[in-house]
Amino acid sequence: DAGVIQSPRHEVTEMGQEVTLRCKPISGHNSLFWYRQTMMRGLELLIYFNNNVPIDDSGMPEDRFSAKMPNASFSTLKIQPSEPRDSAVYFCASSFRLAGGPNEQFFGPGTRLTVL
Amino acid sequence: ILNVEQSPQSLHVQEGDSTNFTCSFPSSNFYALHWYRWETAKSPEALFVMTLNGDEKKKGRISATLNTKEGYSYLYIKGSQPEDSATYLCAFPQGGSEKLVFGKGTKLTVNP
Repeated sequence: DAGVIQSPRHEVTEMGQEVTLRCKPISGHNSLFWYRQTMMRGLELLIYFNNNVPIDDSGMPEDRFSAKMPNASFSTLKIQPSEPRDSAVYFCASSFRLAGGPNEQFFGPGTRLTVL
Repeated sequence: ILNVEQSPQSLHVQEGDSTNFTCSFPSSNFYALHWYRWETAKSPEALFVMTLNGDEKKKGRISATLNTKEGYSYLYIKGSQPEDSATYLCAFPQGGSEKLVFGKGTKLTVNP
């Protein structure tokens, strides 16, 4: 299995530009998570989907952030317009949700975003 | 706001030493406790998912215990090796959902 695939691995952009991060979950997984890793706040959940439906987006910092999951094998996280404080590593993770069970999450390699 | 605390923040040990560190979480409405291992420049990898009070899980030289009544879990590493150097994260599902709240981690460095 290829694992969770994220692209790009590194992104450097200028303030005000639109940034789109992409994620392909593990085939057969039905939950997908977007996390952000910063020195100050550690690893924090931005949004998660179950069966392609957003379940909890309370971690999305503001309206500049949006996420979509048009099908079971693809998700995007978009920042428009980007700001320097958005610089962080963004991780995508997926899991197979079983009713009543805690589910191990599998993380992708992350996208390191730098906004100048 | 759900709080997951880990201590110590960092730890340096010599190869061969055994070590342990702590994760504290809310003891009410317990659902599960996750441990992840995160090597530098890689992504977090699941070690254990623990659900029962008194549970003990083991993977090689790494083991974990769980006390849901008092809200803590210990992670033990026996005979640390340099390849054990990583940040160890614990995570608690908020409200029993899939939303994991992560601690800040314990960064372990094992010196050869």
